[in-house]
Amino acid sequence: EDQVTQSPEALRLQEGESSSLNCSYTVSGLRGLFWYRQDPGKGPEFLFTLYSAGEEKEKERLKATLTKKESFLHITAPKPEDSATYLCAVQAPGTYKYIFGTGTRLKVLA
Amino acid sequence: NAGVTQTPKFQVLKTGQSMTLQCAQDMNHNSMYWYRQDPGMGLRLIYYSASEGTTDKGEVPNGYNVSRLNKREFSLRLESAAPSQTSVYFCASLSNSGRQYNEQFFGPGTRLTVL
Repeated sequence: EDQVTQSPEALRLQEGESSSLNCSYTVSGLRGLFWYRQDPGKGPEFLFTLYSAGEEKEKERLKATLTKKESFLHITAPKPEDSATYLCAVQAPGTYKYIFGTGTRLKVLA
Repeated sequence: NAGVTQTPKFQVLKTGQSMTLQCAQDMNHNSMYWYRQDPGMGLRLIYYSASEGTTDKGEVPNGYNVSRLNKREFSLRLESAAPSQTSVYFCASLSNSGRQYNEQFFGPGTRLTVL
């Protein structure tokens, strides 16, 4: 069964304290792995797409990486405005369906 | 560009009542989606429409129906609401081309409570 698991469920960091969020997946034939950011009371907002193992994407303090079994979202020197829930998703093979993980709630303290 | 819009933003229903959640996108996207989001459950796909004129079930379709009215609009109907359908509902559309290929754009959500 295609599945996406994110860890940790919640993470509290001090401002400037770098860390990583994990997204592990089981899917036969990955067609894309996606990271989204969701602020409270709002819809998810797209961050990155990764298609093949070894691929990396960066945006400001965020860097996403992909292996054959998992993806990491690295947050370097985070700021309070990085506080949000980060969602990971994969595209189910041969379909237009997307499977989401339950997310990691990140809180960055000033 | 308004992106993806949803109406209403909030709704309270009594058990057994029916209602339709509206969604529209102005980005000329082919594919549209309805998700529900519950605490600890993440986003779960209810129905999707790969293109105008087609709809398919997702992970949790029971108790819902959808209509892809045209390329812009994709509605979700609850025929007889149940307390288990209390949730936040998100509509999304998928970019099929260009720099934003394979990105989903989400609406602001509808917060539904069924008493």
